[in-house]
Amino acid sequence: AQSVTQLDSHVSVSEGTPVLLRCNYSSSYSPSLFWYVQHPNKGLQLLLKYTSAATLVKGINGFEAEFKKSETSFHLTKPSAHMSDAAEYFCVVSERGFQKLVFGTGTRLLVSP
Amino acid sequence: DTGVTQSPTHLIKTRGQQVTLRCSPISGHKSVSWYQQVLGQGPQFIFQYYEKEERGRGNFPDRFSARQFPNYSSELNVNALLLGDSALYLCASSYRDGNQPQHFGDGTRLSIL
Repeated sequence: AQSVTQLDSHVSVSEGTPVLLRCNYSSSYSPSLFWYVQHPNKGLQLLLKYTSAATLVKGINGFEAEFKKSETSFHLTKPSAHMSDAAEYFCVVSERGFQKLVFGTGTRLLVSP
Repeated sequence: DTGVTQSPTHLIKTRGQQVTLRCSPISGHKSVSWYQQVLGQGPQFIFQYYEKEERGRGNFPDRFSARQFPNYSSELNVNALLLGDSALYLCASSYRDGNQPQHFGDGTRLSIL
């Protein structure tokens, strides 16, 4: 069975400073990993995905994540936070070849001026 | 492209009633998945349909059912509503089965009184 653990329920940063959202995964098989973002009262938007190609994955809006098999981690980073980045972020795992997504509990990113 | 559309956006029901939620996938997408997101938690997988066949089912009671129509739209039905069914119900579509990017709608907010 697959699962993800998001290590922080809330992360607070100042605008212009780096963002780090931490995620560890557990999977019996070679996983596919994703980060989704959810703005208030909205659905989920895919930021980026890892499916066994390059371990450093670049996504939209300047976000990127690095797959580290030895650490079973898939942390999300951004060099410089923007006010519009304030949202809920979900780390997600799926078994390769299957559609079912398993979500973490989410990390709320707060960005202050 | 029109995104995934869900209707209604909000719904209020009482315990014991039945509800039908609707989802129209992105044009050309043949796979539809349903997720339940309880307040403060990550989404939980309910069903996946591809080419009108059920391809996956999450750990939900038989009160939950779904179907996919020839035009690939989908309905989620919930019978004998309980207070715990109050949640945001999200629909996601993808072009085909397997590890395809899933695009989410904005969801239907269901409140049970």
